[in-house]
Amino acid sequence: SYELTQTPSVSVSPGQTASITCSGDKLGNRYTCWYQQKPGQSPLLVIHQDTNRPSGIPERFSGSNSGNTATLTISGTQAMDEADYYCQAWDSSTVIFGGGTKLTVL
Amino acid sequence: EVQLAESGGGLVQPGGSLRLSCAASGFTFNSYWMTWVRQAPGKGLEWVANIKQDGSEKHYVDSVKGRFTISRDNAKNSLYLQMNSLRAEDAAVYYCTRLSLNFWSGFDYWGQGALVTVSS
Repeated sequence: SYELTQTPSVSVSPGQTASITCSGDKLGNRYTCWYQQKPGQSPLLVIHQDTNRPSGIPERFSGSNSGNTATLTISGTQAMDEADYYCQAWDSSTVIFGGGTKLTVL
Repeated sequence: EVQLAESGGGLVQPGGSLRLSCAASGFTFNSYWMTWVRQAPGKGLEWVANIKQDGSEKHYVDSVKGRFTISRDNAKNSLYLQMNSLRAEDAAVYYCTRLSLNFWSGFDYWGQGALVTVSS
């Protein structure tokens, strides 16, 4: 079965750029979405179809996907961006989530 | 405003059954695939099942096949998850989610979640 692998944790200083990666076999051939989840809250879609931001998501969130790796980039990271981030892709008719990355802003 | 409200969670013994419901509002329910996603305590997200607009197509994660059944009632704008033969590893928060009209655009709305505890 298809698997998505994420680094468990990433740290970034406020104002700097955070990069969160998601790896899978030929992942670049599949569309990837990214979700943000803050403690005690439901997940929130922040990137869809590799690079697109839903309405209301700040411009500092961007995405890319090529080869075996999809990347969520947060430019000018703010304290409010501290959260868990999950990548998601499709494997035929089933949904695959990555294991999640905890982003710490310190 | 799109709203998804889960109900029916609670404490159940191993081997028991539980039925989750999700009341949808603010959008044309019968135009969307709907999905259940769960999250065990302190763990990541896991897709559980999804169902086509008219209920004619359903898909499940292997670990729940034969035990869980996803269904919907478009007249009531409601999504359901019947969970039988529950195991300790099924304990989680279960989220009702809407799949975007364009599959590749992901799950654009999520409910607040329903907590299922499986314990004797």
